[in-house]
Amino acid sequence: GESVGLHLPTLSVQEGDNSIINCAYSNSASDYFIWYKQESGKGPQFIIDIRSNMDKRQGQRVTVLLNKTVKHLSLQIAATQPGDSAVYFCAENPNNAGNMLTFGGGTRLMVKP
Amino acid sequence: ETGVTQSPTHLIKTRGQQVTLRCSSQSGHNTVSWYQQALGQGPQFIFQYYREEENGRGNFPPRFSGLQFPNYSSELNVNALELDDSALYLCASSPNTGVGETQYFGPGTRLLVL
Repeated sequence: GESVGLHLPTLSVQEGDNSIINCAYSNSASDYFIWYKQESGKGPQFIIDIRSNMDKRQGQRVTVLLNKTVKHLSLQIAATQPGDSAVYFCAENPNNAGNMLTFGGGTRLMVKP
Repeated sequence: ETGVTQSPTHLIKTRGQQVTLRCSSQSGHNTVSWYQQALGQGPQFIFQYYREEENGRGNFPPRFSGLQFPNYSSELNVNALELDDSALYLCASSPNTGVGETQYFGPGTRLLVL
């Protein structure tokens, strides 16, 4: 079936460096994409979202890029901090499924001091 | 914090038993979605409730059922528990059901089936 997936299970970066987490999706009918951060023992926390009519959206220290041509989504974190250590999930929201989400498998980000 | 609460935080059951998990949505939110998250995996959509009616369902068997109450809180019931039901169960609330309505997650209930 159609799914959202991630390329790398673990990403290790030095504190202060920029991080890039990638995600591939396969449902061309998806209109809305979200990045969530999940810390150990907690539920997923909304980070940033983007609609399919945009290719870039910026937040505080985070940027999401959407390439619909190759069905690719990325999350960029500037000046990565130890508090950014967590598992990051991308999720897609098909346009015929209300706001029900399909999640990818997650990437663990580890920030080295 | 998202304002979404879940109870209990942890639960241990044996195979064949039944379990009820509870979720209180964020104030003003009329939609609750439930997800199952197995260890090391992303959440999988179970079903969604909107104004006390089931609004959508993922690929889960009928022994997974739910309810939503007039105050928009919700329950997830699982009958005839199996070992593979061991997971973190997450609920998420949203203001409505439209595409792009952000879902806010609770901390989850961790269920262990022995």
